[in-house]
Amino acid sequence: GENVEQHPSTLSVQEGDSAVIKCTYSDSASNYFPWYKQELGKGPQLIIDIRSNVGEKKDQRIAVTLNKTAKHFSLHITETQPEDSAVYFCAPPAAGNKLTFGGGTRVLVKP
Amino acid sequence: DTAVSQTPKYLVTQMGNDKSIKCEQNLGHDTMYWYKQDSKKFLKIMFSYNNKELIINETVPNRFSPKSPDKAHLNLHINSLELGDSAVYFCASSRRGVANTGELFFGEGSRLTVL
Repeated sequence: GENVEQHPSTLSVQEGDSAVIKCTYSDSASNYFPWYKQELGKGPQLIIDIRSNVGEKKDQRIAVTLNKTAKHFSLHITETQPEDSAVYFCAPPAAGNKLTFGGGTRVLVKP
Repeated sequence: DTAVSQTPKYLVTQMGNDKSIKCEQNLGHDTMYWYKQDSKKFLKIMFSYNNKELIINETVPNRFSPKSPDKAHLNLHINSLELGDSAVYFCASSRRGVANTGELFFGEGSRLTVL
């Protein structure tokens, strides 16, 4: 099955700084790379995704970059704000039509 | 209108009891899921149904039995509850299988505490 590792497990940044989370996966057949954000007391929500024919995708302050050769993809958050504080999950799909979630990264943005 | 709704939101019960969690989605999606999130936030898939048919059944004890009466509903029944069943259970749906559409829509979770 898919082996997914996410680093760091916790990340504390000052408001306005950037945050980067890296996700490493093992299944070379993976072709879809999403990031989910889970706020306190809520379910995870898709915030950005990328497919294997694209190297980078940006949506306002968030971006995802993909390195298929090295089998990792990263979430970049620029100009962080307190509402970015949450747990972030990468979830590359594994065989059998299911997403395999990373262990999560708890991001704390300090005002 | 809530897209994926699950009830109850909180459930506190004694070991050995049987309990159910219900889930409904109004997105017209074909596929529904149950995920378990433990205290360390690890999210693991338990089951997936596509149009009422079971398509994913991870290594989950037989005490857990999902039921999908129609494609908009997926319920989870748990027999003989154990302390280790304490977790947050999330229902989710997707338009087709996740490998096709990618996006999972999650409910707000049902926090189960077994005493």
